Amino acid sequence: GQNIDQPTEMTATEGAIVQINCTYQTSGFNGLFWYQQHAGEAPTFLSYNVLDGLEEKGRFSSFLSRSKGYSYLLLKELQMKDSASYLCAVRDGDYKLSFGAGTTVTVRA
Amino acid sequence: GAVVSQHPSWVICKSGTSVKIECRSLDFQATTMFWYRQFPKQSLMLMATSNEGSKATYEQGVEKDKFLINPASLTLSTLTVTSAHPEDSSFYICSARDYSGPGTGGQETQYFGPGTRLLVL
Repeated sequence: GQNIDQPTEMTATEGAIVQINCTYQTSGFNGLFWYQQHAGEAPTFLSYNVLDGLEEKGRFSSFLSRSKGYSYLLLKELQMKDSASYLCAVRDGDYKLSFGAGTTVTVRA
Repeated sequence: GAVVSQHPSWVICKSGTSVKIECRSLDFQATTMFWYRQFPKQSLMLMATSNEGSKATYEQGVEKDKFLINPASLTLSTLTVTSAHPEDSSFYICSARDYSGPGTGGQETQYFGPGTRLLVL
């Protein structure tokens, strides 16, 4: 099975940077995903890491260390619309995703 | 990006009725479709995996006779909640695996439908 941990809540001000950590213990690993989910909506894909290192995509970056079972999602130049839940998900060898409980990010003016 | 649709977007029904939810990949052929359930303030829980041309594989604790999943074609999967009860009220979300998708470095990823909110009275 998979055990995925991420903080429950984070608060930051508009324009700031926030880093959401995710640690995992898995019985199989075939990539790590980050999704954004606004209240009442389905998740939207943000990033995917399968090799160690940093993947940058505009204001969002994601990092992976497979040896440490660790990833983070970095949100830069925060905007009010970034207020959402951010889900860390690990994929196993059968292409199934196991999700963390999600981190609710609140951006304040 | 890849588009996955779900229909209906919300359903209110009486206890004991059956509800059918459709999931379609609109602009790609999905090799696999997944069904998730999400209760308020909780994360997504995988219910079952549906591969084209084969029976669905259910996760532990999910009743296959209650949550019927039709074998997926390359673009369609259906979930039927049979004899729904109030405790089945939840947000049901499907996702489709895009093997040739535009994910990072050309890697595949899963794209989610908009979800179906079910309320059983």
